Amino acid sequence: GAGVSQSPRYKVAKRGQDVALRCDPISGHVSLFWYQQALGQGPEFLTYFQNEAQLDKSGLPSDRFFAERPEGSVSTLKIQRTQQEDSAVYLCASSPRTGLNTGELFFGEGSRLTVL
Amino acid sequence: KNEVEQSPQNLTAQEGEFITINCSYSVGISALHWLQQHPGGGIVSLFMLSSGKKKHGRLIATINIQEKHSSLHITASHPRDSAVYICAERSGNTPLVFGKGTRLSVIA
Repeated sequence: GAGVSQSPRYKVAKRGQDVALRCDPISGHVSLFWYQQALGQGPEFLTYFQNEAQLDKSGLPSDRFFAERPEGSVSTLKIQRTQQEDSAVYLCASSPRTGLNTGELFFGEGSRLTVL
Repeated sequence: KNEVEQSPQNLTAQEGEFITINCSYSVGISALHWLQQHPGGGIVSLFMLSSGKKKHGRLIATINIQEKHSSLHITASHPRDSAVYICAERSGNTPLVFGKGTRLSVIA
């Protein structure tokens, strides 16, 4: 596709439910990032993939959060046993460049998660 | 950990006004980014700069490395400029660190 696509755009979950958020990066982009953006805050880094390898997951807030990119393209962020504090917009960004510190990022529209 | 502070948090301007948004950071950086986030959530990159000044249309970004400060200016503001403007710093081998953003509303 022309840009980074994320789905679902909106998700409402009951506390304790598991959710899965999908990111389709720009074709050919080797790097993929996940960010969490709470209301009124800037994006916070969660995890970074270079192709299928998850090179940094230091930003994942707990072991309830899990991300994968098995074929080096589409990525899924899974949150188990959701809590109210998980309510946020989850942003995916891809880059044609490698490196954790690349500034050439292309963002998706985000998935807004609301946990009741 | 580097911290990125933006001011003001919220800004309302009349159409046509000159707007300035400020960004300060706490440690040395390799580059500073300015990004725009519209209500739908998508973020687009406006500028990346490591020194001096860049201009694109009605947008101007400046950075003072010694003072660890950057500004984003919008000339002849228009309602379509209404968005959240975010600065982000890049340093070392770490992911971008984002500020909380400045919410700009331009009223016709």
